[in-house]
Amino acid sequence: AQKITQTQPGMFVQEKEAVTLDCTYDTSDQSYGLFWYKQPSSGEMIFLIYQGSYDEQNATEGRYSLNFQKARKSANLVISASQLGDSAMYFCAMRGSFQGAQKLVFGQGTRLTINP
Amino acid sequence: ETGVTQTPRHLVMGMTNKKSLKCEQHLGHNAMYWYKQSAKKPLELMFVYSLEERVENNSVPSRFSPECPNSSHLFLHLHTLQPEDSALYLCASSRKPDSFNYGYTFGSGTRLTVV
Repeated sequence: AQKITQTQPGMFVQEKEAVTLDCTYDTSDQSYGLFWYKQPSSGEMIFLIYQGSYDEQNATEGRYSLNFQKARKSANLVISASQLGDSAMYFCAMRGSFQGAQKLVFGQGTRLTINP
Repeated sequence: ETGVTQTPRHLVMGMTNKKSLKCEQHLGHNAMYWYKQSAKKPLELMFVYSLEERVENNSVPSRFSPECPNSSHLFLHLHTLQPEDSALYLCASSRKPDSFNYGYTFGSGTRLTVV
């Protein structure tokens, strides 16, 4: 079974600072994908960034980067130069590669608040 | 606009009512999903449809009844719900053939309140 753990229920950060949201995962699959989604108060789940298990470089998408440490089974999201609009829930998720394990499994989420 | 549209955005219904949630996508995807998001709980996968066939039903009570008439549309029919069914219901879609390196595209959700 696959499991995602996000240990930070809430984070408070000053505007323009960088923030790291933690995510650890557990899987027996050799190949898998890791995702981060943002959910503002409107409810929509917005895809932010993807990291494949065989990717040697950490993924980056604009101000978002993923600190992937495969041996530690961690996939932390780093947001640089935070903005007020970054305030939202953030979910880490993964998909496995084996039949029956391909569902997108989510962590509990972290509520990020950016203070002006 | 994400490409996945859910209606209505908000719904208040009594426990004896019958209502339906609608999800529509025009992304060329042919796998669709219903998730339930309750306060302080992880997202719970309810149903999976792949090529219009239901391939997964995660022990969801029979008062929730999904329908997928074609690859672009997904419904969730609701009847005799309980107050604990109040939640945000999210629809998502993904492409087929599928792979672990593809995520899902989500709609904005329907916020359901059962009174």
